[in-house]
Amino acid sequence: AQKVTQAQTEISVVEKEDVTLDCVYETRDTTYYLFWYKQPPSGELVFLIRRNSFDEQNEISGRYSWNFQKSTSSFNFTITASQVVDSAVYFCALTNDYKLSFGAGTTVTVRA
Amino acid sequence: DAGVTQSPTHLIKTRGQQVTLRCSPKSGHDTVSWYQQALGQGPQFIFQYYEEEERQRGNFPDRFSGHQFPNYSSELNVNALLLGDSALYLCASSLSWGGDEQYFGPGTRLTVT
Repeated sequence: AQKVTQAQTEISVVEKEDVTLDCVYETRDTTYYLFWYKQPPSGELVFLIRRNSFDEQNEISGRYSWNFQKSTSSFNFTITASQVVDSAVYFCALTNDYKLSFGAGTTVTVRA
Repeated sequence: DAGVTQSPTHLIKTRGQQVTLRCSPKSGHDTVSWYQQALGQGPQFIFQYYEEEERQRGNFPDRFSGHQFPNYSSELNVNALLLGDSALYLCASSLSWGGDEQYFGPGTRLTVT
């Protein structure tokens, strides 16, 4: 069974602050993939990043960065210098086959 | 390059009725997955279609059925609608291998009264 937990329900920040979203996952598989998706008020889920279980290298892509630690089963996501347009619900997801298992989501509100 | 498209955008049905939702995948994708997202929750996997067959199914009753056509487009059918079926139904397309990212459509908002 797979499970994704996003303990933070809501985060509110002022523009230009950094935002870190926590994600903890459970899986018995050794091969799996982790994702972050963004869902703005329009409702469409937007793919942000993917990581496979064999690659723990943390990277930065523009204002996004992620910290993948297999030892703690965590896959945290950071938005640097947040902007109002970053306001959305962010979902962490996990797959080891074909279906995506999503967390409950974290609502991020960036105030001007 | 067109992304994933879904129709209709919104739908209102009465309990007991049947509904069909439609999805066209992103160009080049051959796999379609359907998800149900209740208000304030994360999407829940319904099923996935590949090569016109249901490849994997989530924990949904048989009232939920689907189909994939030779052009990779897909339909989701829900029979005997219940109030609890009210949700945003999301279609996602991807390549056939398991770790590929899934690209989502804008969704169909279904309201059952």
